[in-house]
Amino acid sequence: GENVEQHPSTLSVQEGDSAVIKCTYSDSASNYFPWYKQELGKRPQLIIDIRSNVGEKKDQRIAVTLNKTAKHFSLHITETQPEDSAVYFCAASKAGTALIFGKGTTLSVSS
Amino acid sequence: DTAVSQTPKYLVTQMGNDKSIKCEQNLGHDTMYWYKQDSKKFLKIMFSYNNKELIINETVPNRFSPKSPDKAHLNLHINSLELGDSAVYFCASSHRQLDTQYFGPGTRLTVL
Repeated sequence: GENVEQHPSTLSVQEGDSAVIKCTYSDSASNYFPWYKQELGKRPQLIIDIRSNVGEKKDQRIAVTLNKTAKHFSLHITETQPEDSAVYFCAASKAGTALIFGKGTTLSVSS
Repeated sequence: DTAVSQTPKYLVTQMGNDKSIKCEQNLGHDTMYWYKQDSKKFLKIMFSYNNKELIINETVPNRFSPKSPDKAHLNLHINSLELGDSAVYFCASSHRQLDTQYFGPGTRLTVL
């Protein structure tokens, strides 16, 4: 089955810096890659997703890149703000299977 | 209006008891899920239903039994609770598989 590895497990940046979180997946048939943000004590919420027919997707300060050959995808957050502090999860899936989540990255943005 | 709701929010119970968690979504979605988030924040799928039919059943002890009375509801019943069942349980729904999943607020289960 699918296995998703996520790095780093913790990331501390200064406000205004960029943050990059990387994930690798094992099943080359996976074709859907969402990223979820979970604030302390809250529910996970989708922030961006990408499908395998696209190499990059951007939404304001957030971008995701996908390299299907290398089976890895990354989340890029530019101009980080304190409210970006949260746990970020990557996930991978294909039709008929469950979303498999990475173990999460705790991002801390200090002002 | 809350899109995905769960009850109760907190559940504290003794080992060996049986308990249920309820989930409702008003988004008109066809697919619903149960996830378990352990103390290390690891999110793991337990079950998925599509149009009231079980489509994904991960390696979960059969003390856990989901039930979907209709497309908008997915309940989770747990028999003979064990200490290791302590976790936050999230319900989620999506229009179809591989669509955005909307999570409920979670139920924090503590087994003493």
